[in-house]
Formats: sequence, structure tokens, C-alpha cells
Amino acid sequence: DIQMTQSPSSLSASIGDRVTITCRASQSISTYLNWYQQKPGRAPKLLIYAASSLQSGAPSRFSGSGSGADFTLTISNLQPEDFGTYFCQQSHRTPWTFGRGTKVEIK
Amino acid sequence: QVQLVQSGAEVKKPGSSVKVSCKASGGTFNNHVINWVRQAPGQGLEWMGGIIPMLGTPNYAQTFHGRVTIGADESTSTAYMELSSLRDEDTAVYYCVRVESGLGFWFDPWGQGTQVTVSS
Repeated sequence: DIQMTQSPSSLSASIGDRVTITCRASQSISTYLNWYQQKPGRAPKLLIYAASSLQSGAPSRFSGSGSGADFTLTISNLQPEDFGTYFCQQSHRTPWTFGRGTKVEIK
Repeated sequence: QVQLVQSGAEVKKPGSSVKVSCKASGGTFNNHVINWVRQAPGQGLEWMGGIIPMLGTPNYAQTFHGRVTIGADESTSTAYMELSSLRDEDTAVYYCVRVESGLGFWFDPWGQGTQVTVSS
């Protein structure tokens, strides 16, 4: 199975900060990488698909980049509503697998 | 805009089975590919299986092979997931997800989740 490693596991940042979350795959997955945001007690929501495509309705302050095995999710101007846990997920090969998540807290 | 609405919470005994349903509204059901993902308490997300777009065949994570059955009733626009031989560690929130495809596959939208608790 393809292992997805996210870092950091948690972070605390201030409103207006630029936040970067990384995701590394255990092998090359081209750009078959997606990002989700989950708030406590809620289902995850798709933010970014195919490594860099912003899902319709997602704020433009979210962006994704990367290819091969290394990927980044960037929040350019952190807002209060951006708290939650962020997960990456690969769809290069089944079983489709997720990272263990990065919890974002607002200072 | 498709929405997925799941059945309610379940409490089951070890060794029994659970069936979770997922009703789709909006769009044409047979154009939707539904898969299932679960999340154990305080844990990450785990893909269980479902139909793989373009292949049209069911594919299950090895962890669940032999214990999970995924299907759909097009007449009621409802997908279902049945998990048998339940164990304590199957306690989790189970989500149905629509699989979209393009440069890869992604999950959107998600159902609201169904809590399944396995306890003697």
C-alpha cells in the first residue's frame, strides 16, 4: 500500500499567517493527490483535487502544489474559519490511502 | 447538486452485521459512483472500497476483504454497505462518498456519516 506522511501533525497560527502543510507519498503518485478539510463532528470536505485544482466553492486562499512524491497545501491568509484537520489522499493506486492529518489551530 | 444522506446510528454486538444506507438526491443516480470511507475514534480516514470508475468493478481494501459488501438499489437511488463479523475495532463513523474522476479520483460530496458502535 502507498503510505502518506503528513507534517506537521499539528500547528497553531495567527489570523493572516501563511500556513504550509506537506504530504509525502511512499512512492511517486504523479499528481493523483487530493486535500480535504474536516471540522470537529463534521464530514470532510474536498478542497483541492489533482494536486493543484481548487474545488468549486473553496476559498482562493487555499492552493496546492507538487508532483511525484512531495506535495504542499498552502493557506495564504489564515482566517478564523480555517481551523480543523486537513488530510491528503492519494488515488494513484488502490487501496486509496490518506495521511494521518494535520490539525490547524488558530492562536 | 448531489447530496448524500445516510441512515442513523447503530449499536451492534461483536460477531453481528451492520448495513448502512446512503440515499442520493440530485442528479442521475446511476451516474454516481459511491464508495465508503470510515474513521475510527480519534483516528484518520480509511478507504473501504466501492466501484472504481471506468473499471465498473467493485474493489475492496484488503483489510475488509470478505467482510464487506457494497451495492446499490437504483430504483431508490440508495447505496449500501454491509459489514459482517463485527469486532470492537470496527467502531467508527462510516461515510459514503461520491467518487469523481479526471486526473485521478476524489471524493465529493460526503454523506453526513453514520456512527457504528460495536459493544458487548
